[in-house]
Amino acid sequence: DADVTQTPRNRITKTGKRIMLECSQTKGHDRMYWYRQDPGLGLRLIYYSFDVKDINKGEISDGYSVSRQAQAKFSLSLESAIPNQTALYFCATSGPNTEAFFGQGTRLTVV
Amino acid sequence: GQNIDQPTEMTATEGAIVQINCTYQTSGFNGLFWYQQHAGEAPTFLSYNVLDGLEEKGRFSSFLSRSKGYSYLLLKELQMKDSASYLCAVRGSSGGSYIPTFGRGTSLIVHP
Repeated sequence: DADVTQTPRNRITKTGKRIMLECSQTKGHDRMYWYRQDPGLGLRLIYYSFDVKDINKGEISDGYSVSRQAQAKFSLSLESAIPNQTALYFCATSGPNTEAFFGQGTRLTVV
Repeated sequence: GQNIDQPTEMTATEGAIVQINCTYQTSGFNGLFWYQQHAGEAPTFLSYNVLDGLEEKGRFSSFLSRSKGYSYLLLKELQMKDSASYLCAVRGSSGGSYIPTFGRGTSLIVHP
């Protein structure tokens, strides 16, 4: 089983719909992150959480919200999806001094 | 804030050596990472530097100079499967915490 699991892997949704991307990890790390990746722009941080009661905005948090349901679970929501949120989304986890472990990604298309 | 620069694209020949550079500016520094990412897949960890010098791992080596804000990833004996994007990530200070910020990645094309 993968250390970091994202669901769904692919999703097509309509403009204005609410959508949730889920992430769970078995690494036992406290830190979890959501990134989006667009061609030519690399990985950009949306939100991050250092423990269950800690939520922080990243550089591109507008239009997104998150929930840290447990140490192992961190979900990303798009309250009202828009086409420019079409991207590849990655969840990751790390320890305070370790590398990041990434999920397989969710390819989201907003039409 | 953090600023990370790396070349957009590089090409090299199978069997050769290639060096991918990364320069950075950061407020607070707590380590630099290199990841490999094949198209449509998750990034995977290659190397980590927190002190100046060279770290070697098989065909891959990574170098860091903190005073120059500079790192490079060296890939030796290139193979076709090394064609991928290589991401430089710096763990810098943000609001009292250290979080990783990624560069835009360098797409490496290895040809026969």
